[in-house]
Amino acid sequence: NAGVTQTPKFQVLKTGQSMTLQCAQDMNHEYMSWYRQDPGMGLRLIHYSVGAGITDQGEVPNGYNVSRSTTEDFPLRLLSAAPSQTSVYFCASRGAGYGYTFGSGTRLTVV
Amino acid sequence: SQKIEQNSEALNIQEGKTATLTCNYTNYSPAYLQWYRQDPGRGPVFLLLIRENEKEKRKERLKVTFDTTLKQSLFHITASQPADSATYLCARINAGNMLTFGGGTRLMVKP
Repeated sequence: NAGVTQTPKFQVLKTGQSMTLQCAQDMNHEYMSWYRQDPGMGLRLIHYSVGAGITDQGEVPNGYNVSRSTTEDFPLRLLSAAPSQTSVYFCASRGAGYGYTFGSGTRLTVV
Repeated sequence: SQKIEQNSEALNIQEGKTATLTCNYTNYSPAYLQWYRQDPGRGPVFLLLIRENEKEKRKERLKVTFDTTLKQSLFHITASQPADSATYLCARINAGNMLTFGGGTRLMVKP
C-alpha cells in the first residue's frame, strides 16, 4: 500500500497562475481533507470530504476549490495563486478507525 | 471560541528522562483527543487516541492521560531517546469529523 500520495512535492507559481495539487489514497478511506501548515499558525483545514461526491469548507477555504469524483482522489485547485498561499499543503485520509494518514506534503511558493 | 493549545516553546530534555507535553482545551468538551508526531519535512503520523472516559492510554514508551476536570491531556515519553526528537501535535475532532490541531510542541532529546 502506498498510503496517501501527494504530487508535486515542490512547486513555484507566479501570482495569478492556477494549479492543481493532487492527492490519492489507496486505502478505500471515506474521509479526506486538505490542510495548510504555516509557521506560527499550525495546521489549518482548507476543505474536506466525507465521501465521493460530498465536499465541504474548512477553516480557510477562500481561494481554493475541491472535488471528489472518486473515493481515491481529492485534488485541491488554486484558482488564482497569491503570495499568501505560500505554504506547505498536506492531504490526509481516514477510514473506519480514528487516526488520520497524512501525505508527505507539497511545498508551494507563490512569487 | 473553542481552542486547543499546546506550549509553543521547545522542550529540551536529556536522553533517558521522561518527556511530558501538555495539551489544553477551552470552551468545549471533546469526546476524544489524538496525538501525532511530525518530523521536519514530513506529514504528521498518528500515535495515540484517548477518549474522555479513559484516564490513561499506553503504547510502548508512550502514555497519554486525559483530565476532563483540568481540560487537559498530557503526553509522556518514558526513557526518551534522541530519535524521539520531533514536533508533537494534539488534535480534536470537530463537527465535520475533521481534525483541529494545536500548534504543536517541539521536543529535543539530547544524548
